[in-house]
Amino acid sequence: AQSVTQLDSQVPVFEEAPVELRCNYSSSVSVYLFWYVQYPNQGLQLLLKYLSGSTLVKGINGFEAEFNKSQTSFHLRKPSVHISDTAEYFCAVSDLAGSARQLTFGSGTQLTVLP
Amino acid sequence: DAGITQSPRHKVTETGTPVTLRCHQTENHRYMYWYRQDPGHGLRLIHYSYGVKDTDKGEVSDGYSVSRSKTEDFLLTLESATSSQTSVYFCAISAGLEGGAGELFFGEGSRLTVL
Repeated sequence: AQSVTQLDSQVPVFEEAPVELRCNYSSSVSVYLFWYVQYPNQGLQLLLKYLSGSTLVKGINGFEAEFNKSQTSFHLRKPSVHISDTAEYFCAVSDLAGSARQLTFGSGTQLTVLP
Repeated sequence: DAGITQSPRHKVTETGTPVTLRCHQTENHRYMYWYRQDPGHGLRLIHYSYGVKDTDKGEVSDGYSVSRSKTEDFLLTLESATSSQTSVYFCAISAGLEGGAGELFFGEGSRLTVL
């Protein structure tokens, strides 16, 4: 079984400051890792994904994440946030067994960018 | 944007009544999923489908049933709604391994309130 822990439920940050949203996972097999973003009253959108290869993954809107296998982490970062980045962010993991991709989600981190 | 339509988008019902939520896709993707989203829990998988008439249970399937008689439609039924089923329900689709890494594309959600 796999699980995902997002260590911070709320992250307030001032505009143009850097931000890191933390995600740790546990799995007994190799995994794919994802970050999704949810804007108010909308569904989730894929931000970025790690499948294999380079451990630094770049996504949309200037976000990037780094896969660290030894620490079983996949933290999301942005060097300078904007008001429009205010949203809830979900980390998710999918193991490689089977083709029906059942994503296991973390509980989410609400990022609030302050002016 | 992926062609996913959920209906109804909002519903208020009373305890003990049956409720059916519909998910319709125009992408011809093989895999379809129903998740529920609750504060502090992220998204939890209810049921998923890997083809017409092929479905399986997820993490929180008790009290829910699903049906998929056509590729494009995936129905979620609450046979006798309870207050604990008040939630926001998201449908998601995926092309699975055949279509890539199997990332999910989400609908806009159906907000269900059980009084």
